[in-house]
Amino acid sequence: EAGVVQSPRYKIIEKKQPVAFWCNPISGHNTLYWYRQNLGQGPELLIRYENEEAVDDSQLPKDRFSAERLKGVDSTLKIQPAELGDSAVYLCASSLELGAYEQYFGPGTRLTVT
Amino acid sequence: AQKITQTQPGMFVQEKEAVTLDCTYDTSDQSYGLFWYKQPSSGEMIFLIYQGSYDEQNATEGRYSLNFQKARKSANLVISASQLGDSAMYFCAMRGSLQGGSEKLVFGKGTKLTVNP
Repeated sequence: EAGVVQSPRYKIIEKKQPVAFWCNPISGHNTLYWYRQNLGQGPELLIRYENEEAVDDSQLPKDRFSAERLKGVDSTLKIQPAELGDSAVYLCASSLELGAYEQYFGPGTRLTVT
Repeated sequence: AQKITQTQPGMFVQEKEAVTLDCTYDTSDQSYGLFWYKQPSSGEMIFLIYQGSYDEQNATEGRYSLNFQKARKSANLVISASQLGDSAMYFCAMRGSLQGGSEKLVFGKGTKLTVNP
């Protein structure tokens, strides 16, 4: 069974540029999460989807971040414009359903904003 | 609000010995879950073990066991017979009550484990 796929693995951009990250969850997993992990910290939830619906986006900086999960499968997280403080690893995870305790994580996208 | 505290930024252990990674938590939820994840240098978070707040027995998964002390609000991870491949960052996390709407995972800052040959 394929795991959570993320691309790109690494991205370097200049500040004020846009950037997008893509995530393909494990087949059949209805719940999808985007986390941000700053250097030396644990991951922090940005947004959670149940199928196509964003059910928890309270931690998403909505002035510059947006996310979508069309058709309830793949998801894209976008930052526009990027700031220096956005440098972090962006992790995508999925779980079978709400309440399933095991979340499966992808390898993450390491973003560097210069 | 939930909070996870991992007080050990780094730990060292000799190969084949056991090691305990500390984790304390704070929550007002009656029902919650505690998790440990391993993050090797490749970056992927790997689920290790889960303990439910109402589970009477400590969780075990192979060489991993969770020493759950509810009254002390601690959920320490014990790794027995350490292997060189255990060298990684380890994160403790908790999830609150689904009914309470706090089902997101809250992570600690992690402990870097180094296994010496």
